[in-house]
Amino acid sequence: DSGVTQTPKHLITATGQRVTLRCSPRSGDLSVYWYQQSLDQGLQFLIQYYNGEERAKGNILERFSAQQFPDLHSELNLSSLELGDSALYFCASSARDNTGGSYNSPLHFGNGTRLTVT
Amino acid sequence: GIQVEQSPPDLILQEGANSTLRCNFSDSVNNLQWFHQNPWGQLINLFYIPSGTKQNGRLSATTVATERYSLLYISSSQTTDSGVYFCAPSAGGSYIPTFGRGTSLIVHP
Repeated sequence: DSGVTQTPKHLITATGQRVTLRCSPRSGDLSVYWYQQSLDQGLQFLIQYYNGEERAKGNILERFSAQQFPDLHSELNLSSLELGDSALYFCASSARDNTGGSYNSPLHFGNGTRLTVT
Repeated sequence: GIQVEQSPPDLILQEGANSTLRCNFSDSVNNLQWFHQNPWGQLINLFYIPSGTKQNGRLSATTVATERYSLLYISSSQTTDSGVYFCAPSAGGSYIPTFGRGTSLIVHP
């Protein structure tokens, strides 16, 4: 058990809808990352938050947004869903912000949320 | 961004065999991690190894940053080693791991 909790495990919804994925990082970790895994694109980085602030942005669509709350849990909001958004969405956490300096910390992943858009 | 190539893409072993998985990357790295995704989809961090060699039980990893590659060794493989192994370096001003396409490993009893 990595200590990172993601809910729900599975989500089935229709095109055009909006969903929210939730992530609780490991105890003591301040940084949260979101990744999308699909068969054609592999594991793609979406966005990172550190202690409530956005730190890095990857291949995140404008229809997607995220935030990290004061209790450090994070939510990924996906709107106007399309069939191509069907994927496994992972959250990971790390102790440090990993945006610079001589020390970085490893990432630990949750079990993912499998999103199916029909 | 950094390009990551993993080889071989697929590997089939008999239980007890040894194997070496390779990860080549295009830029100087400040960070490199190896992950195992098991058949249930869980991603498990195996090594955090920007340089040098580390060992954890039957697994070991070596990163030669100057030559832009990393190797993951699996000895005496077991069926529980099956899954996909990902290399995820980060480079330059970004410390965010970029994942390769992985090596899919099947270990037969």
